[in-house]
Amino acid sequence: GQSLEQPSEVTAVEGAIVQINCTYQTSGFYGLSWYQQHDGGAPTFLSYNALDGLEETGRFSSFLSRSDSYGYLLLQELQMKDSASYFCAVRESSGGYQKVTFGTGTKLQVIP
Amino acid sequence: DSGVTQTPKHLITATGQRVTLRCSPRSGDLSVYWYQQSLDQGLQFLIQYYNGEERAKGNILERFSAQQFPDLHSELNLSSLELGDSALYFCASSVGPESYNEQFFGPGTRLTVL
Repeated sequence: GQSLEQPSEVTAVEGAIVQINCTYQTSGFYGLSWYQQHDGGAPTFLSYNALDGLEETGRFSSFLSRSDSYGYLLLQELQMKDSASYFCAVRESSGGYQKVTFGTGTKLQVIP
Repeated sequence: DSGVTQTPKHLITATGQRVTLRCSPRSGDLSVYWYQQSLDQGLQFLIQYYNGEERAKGNILERFSAQQFPDLHSELNLSSLELGDSALYFCASSVGPESYNEQFFGPGTRLTVL
């Protein structure tokens, strides 16, 4: 079985830094992904961590600690267009296959 | 534009009916995934096909079925529709059978069951 927990809402100021946490409980863990979804749009892949540590892609960074079953997405120099929902997703083995299970999402509101 | 196409964009139908949603993956991608997104359930993985064969199954109801054709497009069939089936249905694609980390999503089909 699995469960993912992430905050439902976060508000941050334009230009600031925000961290969105994700904790998970799963067997057969392979990696943690992050997706961005604007209202009415499709999810867009942001990052993937299979190993412990920090992955940086421009203003976005993602961190994973496998021993703590914990990861986070860090958004720097926030822009108004970053207002969206952010989903963490675990890649895990299940019944001999691999599958992806998504968290319920964190709605980020960036304010001026 | 992710390169994944889905039709139709919107679908309105009645309870008890059957509908078919269609997805064309990005050029070169062999895997297709189907997801359901509703307000109270978040994004739920339904099923994955790789090169025409079922690869993984998630929370897909028995009333739902899918297939992937030789040209790699996929269809999701939803039958005996209920009000609770109203949701956004996304298709995603990736290159390989285990490329879960890099999925490219289509624009979705919004299904409304009245």
